[in-house]
Amino acid sequence: DVKVTQSSRYLVKRTGEKVFLECVQDMDHENMFWYRQDPGLGLRLIYFSYDVKMKEKGDIPEGYSVSREKKERFSLILESASTNQTSMYLCASRGKSNTGELFFGEGSRLTVL
Amino acid sequence: RKEVEQDPGPFNVPEGATVAFNCTYSNSASQSFFWYRQDCRKEPKLLMSVYSSGNEDGRFTAQLNRASQYISLLIRDSKLSDSATYLCVGHTGKLIFGQGTTLQVKP
Repeated sequence: DVKVTQSSRYLVKRTGEKVFLECVQDMDHENMFWYRQDPGLGLRLIYFSYDVKMKEKGDIPEGYSVSREKKERFSLILESASTNQTSMYLCASRGKSNTGELFFGEGSRLTVL
Repeated sequence: RKEVEQDPGPFNVPEGATVAFNCTYSNSASQSFFWYRQDCRKEPKLLMSVYSSGNEDGRFTAQLNRASQYISLLIRDSKLSDSATYLCVGHTGKLIFGQGTTLQVKP
């Protein structure tokens, strides 16, 4: 069974803290994505990566960075968390065939106080 | 204007009803479209792709109208288990998600 695993389901952090969100996929997929999902705004793409050590900005990259040192792992970093980064963060992966099927992790709900 | 727009609902329907959702898109270069389903507090999962000729999967039918730039999802004989949020997705080289339409099927 294919799987995308996000390290933490729920996190509570304080303003200014550094936050790491980890995502691992076991499908040998080239493409990996980080989205955030907010009520009324839907899913918005933060960053994506189409290969190891490669990264591309999505629609809302400000305040975030990413790391892809290994094919199976894609990390999202909040250098200095702010309250407006309170959200549900969803990691996804997709194979090289470029179909529309994304496989999502269960999500990480981050609250920044 | 959002690239992919959906009526957020909620749509409240009785079991057995037929319900249809529309989704409009603004980028005429969109290559393909999809419907995803997201259960409460769960991740989105692909429900079906949308083909120009229309396609059916059991009780679900998806249609694409390129001239009017909208896609639709029809659910026949609604079940309680169909209660979820349905996300319309356009593919323009990257995937653009609508905000979702919430369906609540009542007994």
